[in-house]
Amino acid sequence: AQKVTQAQTEISVVEKEDVTLDCVYETRDTTYYLFWYKQPPSGELVFLIRRNSFDEQNEISGRYSWNFQKSTSSFNFTITASQVVDSAVYFCALSEAQNQGGKLIFGQGTELSVKP
Amino acid sequence: GAGVSQTPSNKVTEKGKYVELRCDPISGHTALYWYRQSLGQGPEFLIYFQGTGAADDSGLPNDRFFAVRPEGSVSTLKIQRTERGDSAVYLCASSPHPRQGSGNTIYFGEGSWLTVV
Repeated sequence: AQKVTQAQTEISVVEKEDVTLDCVYETRDTTYYLFWYKQPPSGELVFLIRRNSFDEQNEISGRYSWNFQKSTSSFNFTITASQVVDSAVYFCALSEAQNQGGKLIFGQGTELSVKP
Repeated sequence: GAGVSQTPSNKVTEKGKYVELRCDPISGHTALYWYRQSLGQGPEFLIYFQGTGAADDSGLPNDRFFAVRPEGSVSTLKIQRTERGDSAVYLCASSPHPRQGSGNTIYFGEGSWLTVV
């Protein structure tokens, strides 16, 4: 079965704090893709990153970094020195290679609130 | 436009009525997806089009839901005999030339918020 779990429903931090959003996934496919999307109050899902199952290198993009560990089926997302503009709902998603078209299975999301 | 465009942005309808939601994907994208997002939940897959045909409609909840994409570009999601439980944000997304196993990135619109009263 394919499943994505984001155990943290809500997180509240003060500006400039670091924050990590957890994502755990389940899949039987050996080839799959993992994504993070940001959903600000406007509602549009904004693509942040895509990783394939064969690339476990961690990635850093500015204040954002991602830690992919196949051994624990986790794909965690860290925001360093958080800012108020980071406030949004963040979704982790899984796409299995066997699914034509690459449909996404989403977690329930983590609502991040960054207070000034 | 540059992104996925959806209309209307908000729709309030009475229970039992028929509703159409429109999606205009990113120009050149051959794949189009519909998702539904209930309050406090992640988006749930409804249907995927490759060109004009529905390649995967396994997420449609029942036969009251139907979607078309007659010319391979704009798509319309149609809901018959709406029920209060249909209230949600309906998200459209598109992707360029997906192939099985490619993991193409999917780009989303801002959604159509449907409220059934």
